[in-house]
Amino acid sequence: DIQMTQSPSSLSASVGDRVTITCRASQGIRNDLGWYQQKPGKAPKRLIYAASRLQSGVPSRFSGSGSGTEFTLTISSLQPEDFATYYCLQHNSYPSLTFGGGTKVEIK
Amino acid sequence: EVQLLESGGGLVQPGGSLRLSCAASGFTFSSHEMNWVRQAPGKGLEWVSYINTNGKSIYYADSVKGRFTVSRDNGKNSLYLQMNSLTVEDTAVYYCARDSGWCPDFWGQGTLVTVSS
Repeated sequence: DIQMTQSPSSLSASVGDRVTITCRASQGIRNDLGWYQQKPGKAPKRLIYAASRLQSGVPSRFSGSGSGTEFTLTISSLQPEDFATYYCLQHNSYPSLTFGGGTKVEIK
Repeated sequence: EVQLLESGGGLVQPGGSLRLSCAASGFTFSSHEMNWVRQAPGKGLEWVSYINTNGKSIYYADSVKGRFTVSRDNGKNSLYLQMNSLTVEDTAVYYCARDSGWCPDFWGQGTLVTVSS
């Protein structure tokens, strides 16, 4: 089974900060990775697919990079509405999916 | 507008059963594979099950295999999850999520299943 290790598990940041979240796969997954944002009591929202493709309607301050085993989600300038929990998801072992453990982004 | 609306959650005793439904609208349901994903209270996301467009290819997470059954009715634009032999570890919000050819793109708002005596 492919394991996804996401770090950090939480972070504190200020509005305007650049934020980076990392996911590492236990084996190569090409670019079969997505990133999701989840706010309390809400469903996850897809931000990035295919490791670096921005979902339609998602602000361009979000970007994804990486391939193989290491992936990054970057928020270039954190906005108040970005405080949420972020998850990576690998689908290389499709149809079985594996999520990272999540990163909670909190206000400093 | 794509919409997925789950229903059927509630309180059930350990060992009991529950059937979840997911009503789809705003897209051609029969053209999309579908997934169930769950989230225990305060925890992360866990994939539960997958079903292809005609319902003949089905996969489950090891944690639910043999207890849960996924199905779909393309004529009713609906996805189902029959859950049997429920345990407290099955307590979670259950989401249906549309497959996109990449990772799932649209998710329903979820339905809460609580297994407790």
